[in-house]
Amino acid sequence: EADIYQTPRYLVIGTGKKITLECSQTMGHDKMYWYQQDPGMELHLIHYSYGVNSTEKGDLSSESTVSRIRTEHFPLTLESARPSHTSQYLCASSEFTGELFFGEGSRLTVL
Amino acid sequence: EDQVTQSPEALRLQEGESSSLNCSYTVSGLRGLFWYRQDPGKGPEFLFTLYSAGEEKEKERLKATLTKKESFLHITAPKPEDSATYLCAVQVYNTDKLIFGTGTRLQVFP
Repeated sequence: EADIYQTPRYLVIGTGKKITLECSQTMGHDKMYWYQQDPGMELHLIHYSYGVNSTEKGDLSSESTVSRIRTEHFPLTLESARPSHTSQYLCASSEFTGELFFGEGSRLTVL
Repeated sequence: EDQVTQSPEALRLQEGESSSLNCSYTVSGLRGLFWYRQDPGKGPEFLFTLYSAGEEKEKERLKATLTKKESFLHITAPKPEDSATYLCAVQVYNTDKLIFGTGTRLQVFP
C-alpha cells in the first residue's frame, strides 16, 4: 500500500500570504513530483526531483518553489499567493517512471 | 506535438453494462502507457502499465489493451463502485515525463 501524505488537505488564505504545502513518503522513493490539476483538466507537472538536493521545473510554469533536503520530504512553497494560484496540488513519488503513487492532494483557495 | 486524447469525456452505464474507454495518443516514440483511477477529491491511483502493441493487463473487472495508436480500458459488468474518472498517461521515449489525458468520467448506476 502506498504511503504518501499531504498536508493540509484544504487551505483558504488571503492574497499575499506565504504558504507551504507539505508532502512526505515512507517508501524510500528517490523520484518525487508535484502536479497541478484544475477541475476537468489534465494533470500538469510543475516540479520534480530525482533525489536529495535535486529539483527541476516541470512543463507548466509555476511561481512556486520546492526543496528536497531529505529523501522522504518534498515541500512546495508559494512566497506570495494570488487568486490565480487557486488549484489542487498533487504530490507523487515513484520507483519506476509512470507508476506514480499520489497523495490525496492539497486544495488551495486564494481569496 | 506529443498529445493524449481520451474519449468519451463522460460515460453513464447501468450496472452490468460492459463498455470501453479510449485513449489515443500521438507521440514521437512510446516508452509506456499508464492507466489511473481517480475518485473525487483524491489523488490518482495507479492501475496498469502497457509497453508494447498487443499487450494486455487485467485486474478484476478491468482489462487494458494497447495498439500502436491507442489504448482501451474495457470494463466488464461494472458495479457502482467502479464509478470514477479514469486517466491515461503516456511516457515519451527518451524522456522521463508523463503526458496525461483529461480523463473519462464514468458513472455506474444500480
